[in-house]
Amino acid sequence: SQKIEQNSEALNIQEGKTATLTCNYTNYSPAYLQWYRQDPGRGPVFLLLIRENEKEKRKERLKVTFDTTLKQSLFHITASQPADSATYLCALDFNDYKLSFGAGTTVTVRA
Amino acid sequence: GAVVSQHPSWVICKSGTSVKIECRSLDFQATTMFWYRQFPKQSLMLMATSNEGSKATYEQGVEKDKFLINHASLTLSTLTVTSAHPEDSSFYICSASRRAGDSPLHFGNGTRLTVT
Repeated sequence: SQKIEQNSEALNIQEGKTATLTCNYTNYSPAYLQWYRQDPGRGPVFLLLIRENEKEKRKERLKVTFDTTLKQSLFHITASQPADSATYLCALDFNDYKLSFGAGTTVTVRA
Repeated sequence: GAVVSQHPSWVICKSGTSVKIECRSLDFQATTMFWYRQFPKQSLMLMATSNEGSKATYEQGVEKDKFLINHASLTLSTLTVTSAHPEDSSFYICSASRRAGDSPLHFGNGTRLTVT
């Protein structure tokens, strides 16, 4: 069966550093992959979508890469700020028009 | 644009009662709405997919008679937790899209349900 794994439950970093989060998936070749941000007690907010033919996507201080050979996406937050503290979720559509989410990585940025 | 409003944001109810949660798309017509539940420190788990004017499709293991979903219009879907029990306590989140397969999803802010 298809599976999504975000292999760090929590990540603590110093303000100004780069946070790198990993999302691995198995048994599928998705056409695209998405990243969402979720704050405590709130619904997820869409951040970035990257397609299978795109190696990299950027949005302000965020960068996503997509390696379909490794079946992996990396999510980078550069020049991190305390306001970036949140849980970040990767999501895939396993060809049935329904998004499946990873368990998320909680990022804490220390001032 | 693409705002989804969910109400209430939190609710406490007694065991055995029913609770209704509303999900509205405020500035677009949502052909498809999804209902998720999330336990602490866990991922969102899809419960059901509802398409306007038709019956909801439930994921495996989700009791359709317990979690009643109605998607009567292009801007409103409701989830009713019937005969709630403490194990139904969770964070319920809806999301909406203009059409099936449309990405990204737009989420409501969730409803924290506590059953005592």
